[in-house]
Amino acid sequence: NAGVTQTPKFRVLKTGQSMTLLCAQDMNHEYMYWYRQDPGMGLRLIHYSVGEGTTAKGEVPDGYNVSRLKKQNFLLGLESAAPSQTSVYFCASSYGTGGSEQYFGPGTRLTVT
Amino acid sequence: DQQVKQNSPSLSVQEGRISILNCDYTNSMFDYFLWYKKYPAEGPTFLISISSIKDKNEDGRFTVFLNKSAKHLSLHIVPSQPGDSAVYFCAAPNTNNAGNMLTFGGGTRLMVKP
Repeated sequence: NAGVTQTPKFRVLKTGQSMTLLCAQDMNHEYMYWYRQDPGMGLRLIHYSVGEGTTAKGEVPDGYNVSRLKKQNFLLGLESAAPSQTSVYFCASSYGTGGSEQYFGPGTRLTVT
Repeated sequence: DQQVKQNSPSLSVQEGRISILNCDYTNSMFDYFLWYKKYPAEGPTFLISISSIKDKNEDGRFTVFLNKSAKHLSLHIVPSQPGDSAVYFCAAPNTNNAGNMLTFGGGTRLMVKP
C-alpha cells in the first residue's frame, strides 16, 4: 500500500515551458486535491476533484489545469510556467465525508527560472 | 483574508517541556479542526482533530483545546521530544462546499532542543 505518490520529485522549468505533475493513490479515495505551499502561507488549494471525471477550482487556480480521467490519478498541468509558480506542490486524497482527514503525497519541488 | 491564522512562525522548546502551538480562526461556521505535522521533504500527516462539540481532545502526548468564544485552538505536546521538531499546521474544513476542502494556517515551525 503506497498511499499517495507524486511524480516527479523535483523539476526545473524555464519560463513558458509546460509540464504535468502526476498524482496517484491506491486507497480507493473519491476526493483528490492539489495544493501549493509557499513560505508563511501554509497550503493553498489549487484544484480538487470529488470523483472520476470531475474537477473544480480551489483558492488559487489561475495558470493551472487538472484532469481526473481515472479514479486513482489526478494530474496537474502548467501550460506556460511562470516564476510565480515556483513552489512545492502537494497532492492529497480523502474519502470525502465532511471533516475526513486528507492523506498527502511527498511533494514536488518546482523551480521556474 | 486568512480565515485560519497561526501567528507564531516558529517556537523553540527544551526537550521534556511543554510545547504550545496556537491557532486562531475567523469563520464562526467552522465546526471541525485538524492539526497536521510536516517533516522536511515529506508531505503533511494528520496528527489530531477536534469537533466543535468538544473543548478538548487528547491522544497520548498530544492534546488539542478549543475555545469557541475566542475562536482559538491550541495544540499541547507534553513532554516534547526532539522527534517532534517539525512544522505544524492547523486546518478547518470549509462548511459551504461538498469537496471537503481544508483551509490551512501558515504553519508554526517547532524546534525541540535536546
